[in-house]
Amino acid sequence: KAGVTQTPRYLIKTRGQQVTLSCSPISGHRSVSWYQQTPGQGLQFLFEYFSETQRNKGNFPGRFSGRQFSNSRSEMNVSTLELGDSALYLCASSPGTGGFEKLFFGSGTQLSVL
Amino acid sequence: KNEVEQSPQNLTAQEGEFITINCSYSVGISALHWLQQHPGGGIVSLFMLSSGKKKHGRLIATINIQEKHSSLHITASHPRDSAVYICAVYPVNDMRFGAGTRLTVKP
Repeated sequence: KAGVTQTPRYLIKTRGQQVTLSCSPISGHRSVSWYQQTPGQGLQFLFEYFSETQRNKGNFPGRFSGRQFSNSRSEMNVSTLELGDSALYLCASSPGTGGFEKLFFGSGTQLSVL
Repeated sequence: KNEVEQSPQNLTAQEGEFITINCSYSVGISALHWLQQHPGGGIVSLFMLSSGKKKHGRLIATINIQEKHSSLHITASHPRDSAVYICAVYPVNDMRFGAGTRLTVKP
C-alpha cells in the first residue's frame, strides 16, 4: 500500500503570495490532519478533516485554511504569506473509524518564504 | 510554562543501555501519542495510549492519567534508535506537542 504522499516536497515563495499544499492519504483512510513544524515552535496542530468536514482546528489565523475532497485527498492553503510561515508542513492520515488512532505521516512540504 | 513538558531535552547513551524519556502535561487529555522523528523529517507513530502500558518490541510506553505523566522506555538501545522522540496529547478537539527529546545512541 502506498504511504501518505505530499506535494510538492519543496517550495519557495515570497511574502504576500499564497500557496497550496497537497496531501494524498493512504488508500482507505478517511481522516487527514495537518501540522506545522518550525525550529522555534516545534510541532503544532493546524486542522483535521474527516469525510470532507473540518473536525478540529488548532490556534492558527484565518490565513491558514484547508479542505478535503470526496476521495479523502486534502489541500492546505496559506494566503498572504509571512516570513514566519516558513516551516515544514506535515500531513497525516488515519483510518477515521472513530476514537483515537495511529497516525501515518507524509514526508512533508518544506516551505520557504523570502 | 508549556502545557506539555518533556525531559530530558537531550540524551546520549551507549548501545545496550536502558533509556527513559518522560512527558508531563498540565491539561486534561483523552489520549497521548509517542512519535519518533528521524533526521530528514520523517515521523513515525510509536504508541497511542489512553491508560496503562503498551509494549512493542524493545519499546514500552506507560501512562498515568491521574498524575498526568507518561514515560517511553527503550530496552537494549541501538544506534538506529537515534532520533527525536515527541510526546503529543489530545485535549478536547485539539492536539498539543512537547518540544521533543533528542536521543543519540553511540555504538
